[in-house]
Amino acid sequence: SQTIHQWPATLVQPVGSPLSLECTVEGTSNPNLYWYRQAAGRGLQLLFYSVGIGQISSEVPQNLSASRPQDRQFILSSKKLLLSDSGFYLCAWSSWVYGYTFGSGTRLTVV
Amino acid sequence: GENVEQHPSTLSVQEGDSAVIKCTYSDSASNYFPWYKQELGKRPQLIIDIRSNVGEKKDQRIAVTLNKTAKHFSLHITETQPEDSAVYFCAASKGNDMRFGAGTRLTVKP
Repeated sequence: SQTIHQWPATLVQPVGSPLSLECTVEGTSNPNLYWYRQAAGRGLQLLFYSVGIGQISSEVPQNLSASRPQDRQFILSSKKLLLSDSGFYLCAWSSWVYGYTFGSGTRLTVV
Repeated sequence: GENVEQHPSTLSVQEGDSAVIKCTYSDSASNYFPWYKQELGKRPQLIIDIRSNVGEKKDQRIAVTLNKTAKHFSLHITETQPEDSAVYFCAASKGNDMRFGAGTRLTVKP
């Protein structure tokens, strides 16, 4: 069966520090992978999506970046965090058969 | 790009009543419309979805309708229970691109 792992679950980082969130998928090959952000009490904003290794599409200009070094690995990064980067970050994968499945999320607080 | 509007933002119903959440989308090429339920601090979970070649789909107390001409779709929950209380998100997708509505906070009062 397909599973998606996302870590860490919570993270508190100071302003200006770097960020690395990791997401891996098991049980499928060549998945479409996504990073979403959910600000407190708000909807889900698409940040990045990837249809293959090294292929990243960015939806919003920001100080975040994404990379896909392996087929089933998707990484969200920042060189210097801002207060406005605080939120709930969700990784997801999709297929025609299964639709979208979300990871358990990372709650990031920038202080 | 696709723009998804969702209403209402909050909805409070009495246990046993029905709840209806409505969404509109802008891109006529969108062909997949899932609904997600998100409990506090947890990941969104798919509860029902519909594709553009279907007008209505039902799963026990949950149903979704799609009007492609008007570009709107709705979630209907009947015989609501307190455990239905959560935030519900609609979404519209074409290909690799899925956009979400802003969410509806549903409260079911016992």
